[in-house]
Amino acid sequence: KAGVTQTPRYLIKTRGQQVTLSCSPISGHRSVSWYQQTPGQGLQFLFEYFSETQRNKGNFPGRFSGRQFSNSRSEMNVSTLELGDSALYLCASSLEGNRDYGYTFGSGTRLTVV
Amino acid sequence: AQRVTQPEKLLSVFKGAPVELKCNYSYSGSPELFWYVQYSRQRLQLLLRHISRESIKGFTADLNKGETSFHLKKPFAQEEDSAMYYCALSRSYKLIFGSGTRLLVRP
Repeated sequence: KAGVTQTPRYLIKTRGQQVTLSCSPISGHRSVSWYQQTPGQGLQFLFEYFSETQRNKGNFPGRFSGRQFSNSRSEMNVSTLELGDSALYLCASSLEGNRDYGYTFGSGTRLTVV
Repeated sequence: AQRVTQPEKLLSVFKGAPVELKCNYSYSGSPELFWYVQYSRQRLQLLLRHISRESIKGFTADLNKGETSFHLKKPFAQEEDSAMYYCALSRSYKLIFGSGTRLLVRP
């Protein structure tokens, strides 16, 4: 059974550019959530999608957005990149976002903004 | 506000010693708590769910609602247990993570 797949693994972007990250959940999982991991702030929730609907959003500026497709794959987009956006972005999938089952994480996309 | 606190950034023990990684939470309702582990160069993995009351790799965690704690314990640490451990509270389709504790098991 394939795990959560995130692409690309690494990205280097320049300030002001935009970036799109992709996540393919475990087959059958309909909930996809995104987290930002940095040494200073730790793991912070960005947003969660279920059946193409955003059910929750974290405290991030509007430059951070996401979407989910009918096949449950998800993308997140960051526009007008800032140096502080450099982080590891993690995607997690779950059957239904049901807390009882926990979440399975991908390996992440390492974004570096220069 | 919901919050998860892991007071220790680093916990260093010798192989064979007992381990207790502390986790305290702030939540007025019935909490859904997890422990996740991140080994070096590996992805974040689910270690324990409080609802299942299972033991994984010798680790156990008991929810203490009176003390609002969910400490992770293992009676005899192994070198392969060295990793970053995160306690997390599930709420409204998201996980609220603690800042993590690095466990270092020395030979």
